Amino acid sequence: GNSVTQMEGPVTLSEEAFLTINCTYTATGYPSLFWYVQYPGEGLQLLLKATKADDKGSNKGFEATYRKETTSFHLEKGSVQVSDSAVYFCALSLTGNQFYFGTGTSLTVIP
Amino acid sequence: EAGVAQSPRYKIIEKRQSVAFWCNPISGHATLYWYQQILGQGPKLLIQFQNNGVVDDSQLPKDRFSAERLKGVDSTLKIQPAKLEDSAVYLCASSFTSGRMDEQFFGPGTRLTVL
Repeated sequence: GNSVTQMEGPVTLSEEAFLTINCTYTATGYPSLFWYVQYPGEGLQLLLKATKADDKGSNKGFEATYRKETTSFHLEKGSVQVSDSAVYFCALSLTGNQFYFGTGTSLTVIP
Repeated sequence: EAGVAQSPRYKIIEKRQSVAFWCNPISGHATLYWYQQILGQGPKLLIQFQNNGVVDDSQLPKDRFSAERLKGVDSTLKIQPAKLEDSAVYLCASSFTSGRMDEQFFGPGTRLTVL
């Protein structure tokens, strides 16, 4: 079947620390991969995406590389800010744009 | 560009009552999705529409949930009768097409509490 597994949270980091949130997937087919972010009190919004192997998605200092050999799409940021505190969801999309989401990882950045 | 609109934002009902949620997608988006997000979990797709036709409703509990998208624009999701386990956030999303590379845009969600 199709599924996404994310590292469990919550994650608490100090400002300017390095962030990694692990994401691995299982898919029957060739998926596109996404990271969505949900800030407190808001809806999900796209953070970045990659549509084929070895593609790197990037936005707002966040990066993730589509690794087909390890079926992974880990999210990284070199220096987190308090404003990055949110819940991060990894997702995959297959033909028909059916999304499968991970369980989400809560990130809190403290000053 | 206006985003995906949903109403109400919050709803509290007692079990066995009925409830309806409304969604207005981004103008021009052909594909509309309803998700259920239980606390601590990722969103789970309930139903997907392409214009006014159903593409996928395999995870919709059809004995109590129904959805429609008349005229291929607005959509409503109904629960009748509600159960305690239906307490969740109901998210509506839309995309321009149903291609696998197409971003989905999400509304703010409706938080349902069933007592």
